[in-house]
Amino acid sequence: AQSVTQPDIHITVSEGASLELRCNYSYGATPYLFWYVQSPGQGLQLLLKYFSGDTLVQGIKGFEAEFKRSQSSFNLRKPSVHWSDAAEYFCAVAPDSSYKLIFGSGTRLLVRP
Amino acid sequence: GAGVSQTPSNKVTEKGKYVELRCDPISGHTALYWYRQSLGQGPEFLIYFQGTGAADDSGLPNDRFFAVRPEGSVSTLKIQRTERGDSAVYLCASTREGAGGETQYFGPGTRLLVL
Repeated sequence: AQSVTQPDIHITVSEGASLELRCNYSYGATPYLFWYVQSPGQGLQLLLKYFSGDTLVQGIKGFEAEFKRSQSSFNLRKPSVHWSDAAEYFCAVAPDSSYKLIFGSGTRLLVRP
Repeated sequence: GAGVSQTPSNKVTEKGKYVELRCDPISGHTALYWYRQSLGQGPEFLIYFQGTGAADDSGLPNDRFFAVRPEGSVSTLKIQRTERGDSAVYLCASTREGAGGETQYFGPGTRLLVL
């Protein structure tokens, strides 16, 4: 079955530490890939997206993600986390280059001072 | 407006009642999407409008759910005979054209609680 998996429900990191959030998908071809962030009371905001080309994608707020076809993964990274990064992060795919987004269940990031 | 707006921000209703949720997309965006986000889950696609027409309603869970967009701008999601399982955050998004891969701009959502 087609799915998007975010294996970590919660992650806690110290401010200034590096971060990696995992995302795996199961689709035959390379779908469009996205990372969104959701802060309390706010809508989902796009951090970055990948369609093709360079497998390392730069996004807003210092985030980057790397597409690895062999692992069907699209992990999100940040070298130094800020307290304001505390939020819920969602990986999403658009299979078959479509408009329909399929979301993972999210990873909640907590940042220790 | 500058972004997607949704009203009301919160809605509490009783089981069996009818509710309407409103979405005002970014001006000029022809495509509009509704998603539902249950507690602890990611958003799930409900329906996609291109202009005034529902191009894809495959995500609507049953015939109690219906959505309209009569003038190609504001959309209303309508839920009849609400059930407790309908409790969720209903999100709306819009894009300029509705093409694959476009950035979907989301509103803050309407939190629906069915008692």
